[in-house]
Amino acid sequence: EAGVVQSPRYKIIEKKQPVAFWCNPISGHNTLYWYLQNLGQGPELLIRYENEEAVDDSQLPKDRFSAERLKGVDSTLKIQPAELGDSAVYLCASSVQGRGTDTQYFGPGTRLTVL
Amino acid sequence: GEDVEQSLFLSVREGDSSVINCTYTDSSSTYLYWYKQEPGAGLQLLTYIFSNMDMKQDQRLTVLLNKKDKHLSLRIADTQTGDSAIYFCAESMGSSASKIIFGSGTRLSIRP
Repeated sequence: EAGVVQSPRYKIIEKKQPVAFWCNPISGHNTLYWYLQNLGQGPELLIRYENEEAVDDSQLPKDRFSAERLKGVDSTLKIQPAELGDSAVYLCASSVQGRGTDTQYFGPGTRLTVL
Repeated sequence: GEDVEQSLFLSVREGDSSVINCTYTDSSSTYLYWYKQEPGAGLQLLTYIFSNMDMKQDQRLTVLLNKKDKHLSLRIADTQTGDSAIYFCAESMGSSASKIIFGSGTRLSIRP
C-alpha cells in the first residue's frame, strides 16, 4: 500500500513569490491534515479536512495561506506571497475517521526555503 | 492552554535502555502517542496508549502512563543505532483523536 505522497520534496523561492504544495493521501483515507513543522519543533496543525470539507482551519493564516481538497482526495496548500518566516517543513497526513485511534499517517514533507 | 513538554536531547550507549519522558497538560486526553522521525522523513507512529491504561508493551517498546502526574514515558530496550531519531510525544485533545498536540521532540543519539 502506498503511503502519503507529497511533492515537491524541496522548494526554494524568493520572498513575495507564490508557492504550492501537493498531497495525495492513502487510498480510502477520508481525513487529511496539513501541518507546519519549524526547525526543532513538533508539527502544528494548519488545517484538517474531512472529505472535501475543512473542519478545522483555525490555525491557518488566511491572509496568505489557502488550501483546497476539491474532490475529497488530493489536496493543495498554497502560500501567496511567501515570507521569510514561512521557511519550514510542510507535512501532510491522512487517517480514516471514526476507526479507533484515527491513526495519522504522515508523508515525508516538503521543505520550503524562502530567501 | 495545551502543552506537551519533552527534554531536547538524550544520549545512550548502544545496547542500553533509553527512556524518553514527556509531560502533558490535557487531563481529558484519551490517547497519548509516541512518534518517531528520522532525518528527512515524516513522522511514524510507534505506539499509543489509552488514558485508562498505565502500561503498554510492544516488543522493545514500553510505554508508561502516570495520569495523576500527566507523565508519559517511552522505554526502548537494547537500543540500536537504527533507533537514532527524534521522538515526539503527543496527546489527543479530549476524546477526539483527530486533533493531537505534539511536543518539540527528543533527539536520541546512540554512542558506541
